[in-house]
Amino acid sequence: EVQLVESGGGLVQPGRSMKLSCAASGFTFSNYGMAWVRQAPTKGLEWVATISYDGSSTYYRDSVKGRFTISRDNAKSTLYLQMNSLRSEDTATYYCTRGGGGFPYWGQGVMVTVSS
Amino acid sequence: DIQMTQSPSFLSASVGDRVTINCKASQNINRYLNWYQQKLGEAPKLLIYNANSLQTGIPSRFSGSGSGTDFTLTISSLQPEDVATYFCLQHNSWPYTFGAGTKLELK
Repeated sequence: EVQLVESGGGLVQPGRSMKLSCAASGFTFSNYGMAWVRQAPTKGLEWVATISYDGSSTYYRDSVKGRFTISRDNAKSTLYLQMNSLRSEDTATYYCTRGGGGFPYWGQGVMVTVSS
Repeated sequence: DIQMTQSPSFLSASVGDRVTINCKASQNINRYLNWYQQKLGEAPKLLIYNANSLQTGIPSRFSGSGSGTDFTLTISSLQPEDVATYFCLQHNSWPYTFGAGTKLELK
C-alpha cells in the first residue's frame, strides 16, 4: 500500500524559513517523480513543485521560484520542500504526491501558517 | 498556463440522482484529465484517470468521459457517502492545473 506521510509544518513568521518532509513507503521511491501540491484555507488546489525520479530535474510554479527548493533522498525514500522568505499567501495545507499519470497518490497533508 | 473551468461550483442532489460535473480546458489536453474526490478534512482521492479509466477500488457508479477540451464526471446513482468536493486536474502539460472544484451536497 502506498503511504506518504508529511511532517514539519506549523506556524512561522513572514520572511522566515520552514522545511517540510515526506516519508514514502509501499512503492519503489526512486522510480517515480514526486511533487508538492498546496491548498489554501477554503481554496482550491495548486501545484507547487515537482522533482524527477533521480532528482536531476526540478520545476516550480512562478510564485515560489527562487524561494522554495524541492529535493529528495532516494536512500531514505524521503521528499523535501525547503521554503524560504515565506509570505502570508503561502499559508496552506501542503500535500506530498506521487507522480505517474497526474497525482495518483497523496499524503494527508501538513498545515503551514505564515503569520506574525 | 492551461485554465480549467469547472462547473457547477455547487450542486445539490438527492440520493439516487444522476449527477454530472464538467471541466473545460482552455486548450487541447488530449485525454490527460483526472478527477478527484475530497471529503472534509481529508486528502484528495483519485477517482478517474486519463479521462475515463476508473481507479482501482472506486465504485462503478463513478465514470468519466471526454477528450480534447471538454470532460465530464458522472455519478450514476448518488449515495450519501459521495458528499464531497470534486476537482479535475489536467496533466497534459506543465504547470499541471486544477479546476476550482464542485461542492456536492445532499438535497
